[in-house]
Amino acid sequence: QSALTQPRSVSGSPGQSVTISCTGTSSDVGGYNYVSWYQQHPGKAPKLMIYDVSKRPSGVPDRFSGSKSGNTASLTISGLQAEDEADYYCCSYAGSHRVFGGGTKLTVL
Amino acid sequence: QLQLQESGPGLVKPSETLSLTCTVSGGSISSSSYYWGWIRQPPGKGLEWIGSIYYSGSTYYNPSLKSRVTISVDTSKNQFSLKLSSVTAADTAVYYCATELVVVVAATFWFDPWGQGTLVTVSS
Repeated sequence: QSALTQPRSVSGSPGQSVTISCTGTSSDVGGYNYVSWYQQHPGKAPKLMIYDVSKRPSGVPDRFSGSKSGNTASLTISGLQAEDEADYYCCSYAGSHRVFGGGTKLTVL
Repeated sequence: QLQLQESGPGLVKPSETLSLTCTVSGGSISSSSYYWGWIRQPPGKGLEWIGSIYYSGSTYYNPSLKSRVTISVDTSKNQFSLKLSSVTAADTAVYYCATELVVVVAATFWFDPWGQGTLVTVSS
């Protein structure tokens, strides 16, 4: 079981959009529409931002959106705000196990 | 509203067994809708799923940790527990417990909510 592949870091200026990719295999990301995304600020527990590829929990701004194509899922954050600066992790259901991505540090310039 | 809280020793000696408990409040651990999971995060590194348990005792483990991990549930106390044997410094991490929806029941997958996490350091 290998971790899903995410870019180590991305950056953008306030108001811009950024996209974070999450690449797995046909056994995880590609095999199920069960990818979730988590935001983690330093010293805090992860927070659910997107589930089932593209659904947003109540309270999460619609600036956050998710999608998937083949074995790659993506998280897009539009209208970047300073408070979006954090680490982001994807996670995929994979039948008998679950797998996280290595994490992406988002810097708001 | 579900809330989870981890508890256990913050320091464990190498080769010994790490033991943590997660107490669930605001709902029943015997709900058919949830798995109960453990996830860890070494300092400065990413999240790693350790395993998940259903109230019936059915478990799923990360293959890379399976030989050392035992997750159990105590429905009478609304708690579930993690034991990780033969620990080394590489097991030093913040350990989180979290609620996981049962895909075959809810047709949805997420980890939410999470406990605040507890740092376990492996050192002599």
